[in-house]
Amino acid sequence: QQQVKQSPQSLIVQKGGISIINCAYENTAFDYFPWYQQFPGKGPALLIAIRPDVSEKKEGRFTISFNKSAKQFSLHIMDSQPGDSATYFCAAKGGGSQGNLIFGKGTKLSVKP
Amino acid sequence: ETGVTQTPRHLVMGMTNKKSLKCEQHLGHNAMYWYKQSAKKPLELMFVYSLEERVENNSVPSRFSPECPNSSHLFLHLHTLQPEDSALYLCASSQEIHTNTGELFFGEGSRLTVL
Repeated sequence: QQQVKQSPQSLIVQKGGISIINCAYENTAFDYFPWYQQFPGKGPALLIAIRPDVSEKKEGRFTISFNKSAKQFSLHIMDSQPGDSATYFCAAKGGGSQGNLIFGKGTKLSVKP
Repeated sequence: ETGVTQTPRHLVMGMTNKKSLKCEQHLGHNAMYWYKQSAKKPLELMFVYSLEERVENNSVPSRFSPECPNSSHLFLHLHTLQPEDSALYLCASSQEIHTNTGELFFGEGSRLTVL
């Protein structure tokens, strides 16, 4: 119940295309869903996050879509660029102020020029 | 120096060695974390410290021993490790423990290889 399932494991997209990464969870007490971006040789960094009272959040080319009833959320990268090539992790935070972040396994995105 | 700094960046050790990983955060945060990152696995939370007090130990083997002398520094002491402990060890900090914003600030990690 504490897992966050992420897919696909890897993704290759042409420059200018749309990258879509999906995550699913089971614990309905999760109340915060961030996405982290990790470049090779670097630590993960927060990219964008959403709370379950909102169905969509957009920041530039990055959009999170959230489906509370299906317990799923996804990251969409519009007009994907080679500089977006990185590993993306979805995560979910436990309910209240006592929860730890539970991470998905990550998706390695490669954007081809 | 800004953010979260980890040293060394790379470490190779034998199973009988004793070594330590160091983490320093320059963000004025009150909580610090150790995570283990292995290929094709989720980030695994190992230890959590809040204001220098350990508040969580996620069933980590005793061959990993954390130390938090103050809110800016965190160590991970390693001894008699196994080859399966080879991984990237990430330090992170947050403003407060289990921050409501979910934002963790990570260092670049220490790549550990156990021979």
